[in-house]
Amino acid sequence: AQKITQTQPGMFVQEKEAVTLDCTYDTSDPSYGLFWYKQPSSGEMIFLIYQGSYDQQNATEGRYSLNFQKARKSANLVISASQLGDSAMYFCAMPPSGSARQLTFGSGTQLTVLP
Amino acid sequence: GAGVSQSPSNKVTEKGKDVELRCDPISGHTALYWYRQSLGQGLEFLIYFQGNSAPDKSGLPSDRFSAERTGGSVSTLTIQRTQQEDSAVYLCASSLGGQAYNEQFFGPGTRLTVL
Repeated sequence: AQKITQTQPGMFVQEKEAVTLDCTYDTSDPSYGLFWYKQPSSGEMIFLIYQGSYDQQNATEGRYSLNFQKARKSANLVISASQLGDSAMYFCAMPPSGSARQLTFGSGTQLTVLP
Repeated sequence: GAGVSQSPSNKVTEKGKDVELRCDPISGHTALYWYRQSLGQGLEFLIYFQGNSAPDKSGLPSDRFSAERTGGSVSTLTIQRTQQEDSAVYLCASSLGGQAYNEQFFGPGTRLTVL
């Protein structure tokens, strides 16, 4: 079974600074993907960024980028120039192996951006 | 351009009662997922529908839980004889296909409270 680990239950960052949220994974699949989702206090899950294991370059979406290191099985999310609205719960997720397509989520990191 | 919608947004019920939660996916999305999120926890997969295929029910926690998807669109999650441990936010997601790289779009969730 695949496993996602997020070791930072809570993180603080000063507004306008960059922050890295850690995610490590365990899979035996030769091809896989990693998702990051943001969940504000309102509850909805917002897709941020996706990285496929065979993508040549690290994914970027605006202020979000993935620091993807396959050898270390890590897919850390980097948020540059943090904004107050970035305060939320952040989840790393990946589809499990086999025929199933549901996402397996990590336990999440609560990010708080300080003014 | 409607996203995934869910109803009701909040449901309070008494222990032992049955509840029905509704999900209306994005038009044209063939894959539909139900997840459950307990307070402060990550998401737990419940059930997955893909087109006309038999659903993947491997995440349903007990036989009190069931789900239907009518006409490949709207889905209903039914919880019979609710228990207090069923209290959680129930999230529905849909994606264009069932491929691992397909982004899952989440609805706002239904917050279920069992008294």
